[in-house]
Amino acid sequence: EAQVTQNPRYLITVTGKKLTVTCSQNMNHEYMSWYRQDPGLGLRQIYYSMNVEVTDKGDVPEGYKVSRKEKRNFPLILESPSPNQTSLYFCASKGNYGYTFGSGTRLTVV
Amino acid sequence: GQNIDQPTEMTATEGAIVQINCTYQTSGFNGLFWYQQHAGEAPTFLSYNVLDGLEEKGRFSSFLSRSKGYSYLLLKELQMKDSASYLCAVRADTGFQKLVFGTGTRLLVSP
Repeated sequence: EAQVTQNPRYLITVTGKKLTVTCSQNMNHEYMSWYRQDPGLGLRQIYYSMNVEVTDKGDVPEGYKVSRKEKRNFPLILESPSPNQTSLYFCASKGNYGYTFGSGTRLTVV
Repeated sequence: GQNIDQPTEMTATEGAIVQINCTYQTSGFNGLFWYQQHAGEAPTFLSYNVLDGLEEKGRFSSFLSRSKGYSYLLLKELQMKDSASYLCAVRADTGFQKLVFGTGTRLLVSP
C-alpha cells in the first residue's frame, strides 16, 4: 500500500531534549515536505526537499533541521525543543497525482 | 505574499447541500486543491483544479475561477461522516511544488 509513515504518533518531551520525528514513504517520490498545524493558523511549511541531499527552508524553519540522505526518508530534527514547538506535525510527499500526508505526530514540549 | 481565505466554520443538516468558498491571492498559481481533514488525522485529497470550471466527483464538486481568485467546494447529500475540516490549498509557483494552505473550514453536519 502506498503510504507515508510517521513515527511516533504522540510524543511528550521536556524543553531542550533533542528529538527526531521520522518520516518514510514507499512511493519513490522525489519531493517531500514537513508541515506544522496550529489552531487558527492552518498548515505551515517547515522544510521541504526536492530530492536526495537537496533541502530548503519553508515558512517557519526556525528551531528545526532536516536531512535527506536517501529518497524514502525525511526526518525532522528538533535540536533543542521549546514549548512553542508544541504542535501537530505532518510529513507529506508529492507524486504525479498530488500530495500524500502521513498520519501526523502530536508533539507536546513541557 | 500569500493569502488564502475561507470561512472558519459552517453548519448544515444531513441530506442538504453546502458550499465552502475559498479566495486566494498568491504570487503565482499552478493549481488549487481541496482536502478533507477529520480532527487529529491526516488531510486526505478531495479534488484538484488547475483550469477554470467545475470538476465533479460523486457527491463532491469543486469550481475554480482563476481571474477572480476564487474556488468553492460543493458537498451534496450531506452525511454525518462529512463533519470535518475542509482545507483549501494553492500550489504557488514561487516555491517548487509548494502548497500554501488556508486555515480550513470546520463543517458540522447535524441530524
